Amino acid sequence: DAMVIQNPRYQVTQFGKPVTLSCSQTLNHNVMYWYQQKSSQAPKLLFHYYDKDFNNEADTPDNFQSRRPNTSFCFLDIRSPGLGDAAMYLCATSRAGTGEVEKDNEQFFGPGTRLTVL
Amino acid sequence: AQSVTQLDSQVPVFEEAPVELRCNYSSSVSVYLFWYVQYPNQGLQLLLKYLSGSTLVKGINGFEAEFNKSQTSFHLRKPSVHISDTAEYFCAVSFSGGYNKLIFGAGTRLAVHP
Repeated sequence: DAMVIQNPRYQVTQFGKPVTLSCSQTLNHNVMYWYQQKSSQAPKLLFHYYDKDFNNEADTPDNFQSRRPNTSFCFLDIRSPGLGDAAMYLCATSRAGTGEVEKDNEQFFGPGTRLTVL
Repeated sequence: AQSVTQLDSQVPVFEEAPVELRCNYSSSVSVYLFWYVQYPNQGLQLLLKYLSGSTLVKGINGFEAEFNKSQTSFHLRKPSVHISDTAEYFCAVSFSGGYNKLIFGAGTRLAVHP
């Protein structure tokens, strides 16, 4: 089945130690998103890639970076995690630009990576 | 600015009772509307979506929602809930004319009791 995969599902890191979260997709979608979801809150968009074009949300801290080496993979790098960065990180994908409303307007989410910062 | 309001943070209900989860949005442009469900430590699963056409939308797991443009609402309903429906439900909107950035409501915790 076509899907969005996130690894690892649970990640523990130390305060200030860089960490990378991984997302891959078999849907061949041209848009990939990273969301941060803190406990009992709604997902908050950090940034997205439209093909190779990176789009950062205005309030995303510089501590968060992303890489998309190819269509299938996207990485979230947290350069110096703080205690406040502990959260669930969700990757999502979508198609855009087909001109078909049904195809262009649904995001498919991965299972998430729960990040713990000690 | 566009926004989504979920009016109830928690909704307790007994098994086999009907339920309605409320969602209102604010936007000056046409919108697309979505309901997602999230089970503990899981990602988001799409329940249903309104893009155009019939304002009554049917989704998975017996859920349906009605788009009301005049009241800017998109309430989610199920006539008879099960214990397995216990989860967090998020209403979200995206906006026509651009790429499909989602704006989420704060979520409603549905707790189904036996």
